[in-house]
Amino acid sequence: SQQGEEDPQALSIQEGENATMNCSYKTSINNLQWYRQNSGRGLVHLILIRSNEREKHSGRLRVTLDTSKKSSSLLITASRAADTASYFCATDPTGANSKLTFGKGITLSVRP
Amino acid sequence: EAQVTQNPRYLITVTGKKLTVTCSQNMNHEYMSWYRQDPGLGLRQIYYSMNVEVTDKGDVPEGYKVSRKEKRNFPLILESPSPNQTSLYFCASSSHRAELFFGPGTRLTVL
Repeated sequence: SQQGEEDPQALSIQEGENATMNCSYKTSINNLQWYRQNSGRGLVHLILIRSNEREKHSGRLRVTLDTSKKSSSLLITASRAADTASYFCATDPTGANSKLTFGKGITLSVRP
Repeated sequence: EAQVTQNPRYLITVTGKKLTVTCSQNMNHEYMSWYRQDPGLGLRQIYYSMNVEVTDKGDVPEGYKVSRKEKRNFPLILESPSPNQTSLYFCASSSHRAELFFGPGTRLTVL
């Protein structure tokens, strides 16, 4: 069952601009995770935010979580060409990863 | 180096010929899982394992088998592959309540 739905499906920005990606989900969660995937390669974990947290930062990444709206956003500031990738949100209802479900992903293109 | 390895990375086979995709992790993780990734469908979980000898079905388990006899290994078995199992497969592992580490992927084509 696909829980997280990312928006937009594709995003193209200029290097140096900020990129904002959104994820909505339907049922209650223990945590929400964001992953990045470079073309055809394995996913790499970016950040995990728990249901009792509202905002989290990691370098140029800022993630927010609004459990009342069942939505999360990932902000990448001062984007670089190397940020070009697909980004996935994944929702975990239990905290044990056993039912971690991924959205279909957002394709981000950063133009040099 | 901490990693999840998968073999083979690429495989072309024919319908009905049994195959195994191996997955191994060197991080002593309890949890391991298999996903398949298809265009327009994202990642879908096939099977997962919470620890040795403990496995359970994910969202799309039909046509697949797994086993977890050792903590580090979690092979994916296709007893009789069919063309609709052509996909990109990922193995992942994690320690309790932590982020997933993914393998590099296995691109399988079933003719």
